Amino acid sequence: SSELTQDPAVSVALGQTVRVTCQGDSLRTFYASWYQQRPGQAPTLVIFATNKRPPGIPDRFSGSTSGNTASLTITGAQAEDEADYYCNSRDRSPNYYVFGTGTKVTVL
Amino acid sequence: QLRLQESGPGLVKPSETVSLTCTVTNASISSFSYCWGFFRLPPGKGLEWIGSVCDRGPTYTNPSLKSRLTLSVDTSETQFSLKLASVTAADTAVYYCARHPPYGSTINWFDSWGQGTQVTVSS
Repeated sequence: SSELTQDPAVSVALGQTVRVTCQGDSLRTFYASWYQQRPGQAPTLVIFATNKRPPGIPDRFSGSTSGNTASLTITGAQAEDEADYYCNSRDRSPNYYVFGTGTKVTVL
Repeated sequence: QLRLQESGPGLVKPSETVSLTCTVTNASISSFSYCWGFFRLPPGKGLEWIGSVCDRGPTYTNPSLKSRLTLSVDTSETQFSLKLASVTAADTAVYYCARHPPYGSTINWFDSWGQGTQVTVSS
C-alpha cells in the first residue's frame, strides 16, 4: 500500500506565506486534493486536481506538484486558516483512496 | 443545496456491529455522476477513507477494513449505510460521509461533507 507523508506541524506569522507538503509515490501518477479541518468541524475541500480551487475558497490557497511531492501554499495566512490540513490521492495497488498523515498549521 | 447527514448509535460495545447511515438531501444517490463515501477521524490520528458506494452498483472498501465492512444503498435511494463488525476501541472515531466523482476517475475530490457522528467503542 502507498503512504502519503506530511510534516506534523508548521507555524506561520499572520499575513505571511506557508507551504504544506505531502510526499508519496502515488503522487507521480494521481492528482492530489487537499482538505482543511478545523477542530470539531467536518473537513472542507480547498484544492483538487493539484491546483484547482472549489467555489468559495479564497485565492490565497494554491497547490502544486513536483515529482512525488504535492504542496499546498497559503499566501497571506489569516487567523481562520489555523487548522489541520490533509492531502489525498489514489493508490493503484490496492485500488483505494489514501490520506496524508496531516499537518497542523498554527497562525502566530 | 446538497446536504449529507450522518446518524449512528453513539456508543457500541466491543465485538458488536456498528451501523451508520448517511442521509442525502437534494440529490439522488443513484446518479451515475457521483459516488458516496464514508470516512473516519480517530482521536489523535488522521483521516481515513472507509469505503464508497456508487449508484446501486459496486462498493469499494479500504483493504484494512474489507473483512468487517458492509456498505449498502437504501431502497429509498436517499440513504446509504455501513455496517462494521467486530468493533474494538481502535474503531472509536468521528465518522463522516461525503460525495466524490465516480470511482477511478482521474480527478478525485471529496465534498459536501456531513457534520460527522461520534462512535465510541466501550463496554
